[in-house]
Amino acid sequence: DAKTTQPTSMDCAEGRAANLPCNHSTISGNEYVYWYRQIHSQGPQYIIHGLKNNETNEMASLIITEDRKSSTLILPHATLRDTAVYYCIASAQGGSEKLVFGKGMKLTVNP
Amino acid sequence: KAGVTQTPRYLIKTRGQQVTLSCSPISGHRSVSWYQQTPGQGLQFLFEYFSETQRNKGNFPGRFSGRQFSNSRSEMNVSTLELGDSALYLCASSLQGPKSSPLHFGNGTRLTVT
Repeated sequence: DAKTTQPTSMDCAEGRAANLPCNHSTISGNEYVYWYRQIHSQGPQYIIHGLKNNETNEMASLIITEDRKSSTLILPHATLRDTAVYYCIASAQGGSEKLVFGKGMKLTVNP
Repeated sequence: KAGVTQTPRYLIKTRGQQVTLSCSPISGHRSVSWYQQTPGQGLQFLFEYFSETQRNKGNFPGRFSGRQFSNSRSEMNVSTLELGDSALYLCASSLQGPKSSPLHFGNGTRLTVT
């Protein structure tokens, strides 16, 4: 799996868009970008994943650059409940079914 | 649809004892993965089961073991507990496997070893 790099932490104002960056410069053509988040005292929660095209669901949007070396998770209207550790993972589907989580990035949404 | 259920929620054990943790996956999910989470090491992969077979194992000693039953429910066992085994143990289920379909996590079992 390609290595991903995220900032250690970032802050966002409630109601504003939160743009969470992730660098994966060594990503292979068959590796997807996955985003999970973990709210304190809970298990991680799947958010979204994508390969090349931008993706959107009810939780967030995922923007992947054309060269696929980086991506941005967008929470369009951050709320206090979005305060969590966000994990960006680059991984190919199938093969060794072992998803490895890095240290993630702490997002704090402030009132 | 019910989520992933882990029992018990909290557990206190003494060094040298053994412990068994249980995980009930989402109905229809055949893959169950286990993770250990500590403040210092983050989320560490333990093992993954699919249709009663262990497909992958992380870098943990043999004291850590698991199994999956025909109904996809899974258990993990830790023998000869050490203080360093104190952690949050998380179970996650998915349809085909963590890289083929999204993982759905339970809220974990908090194990304290004294």
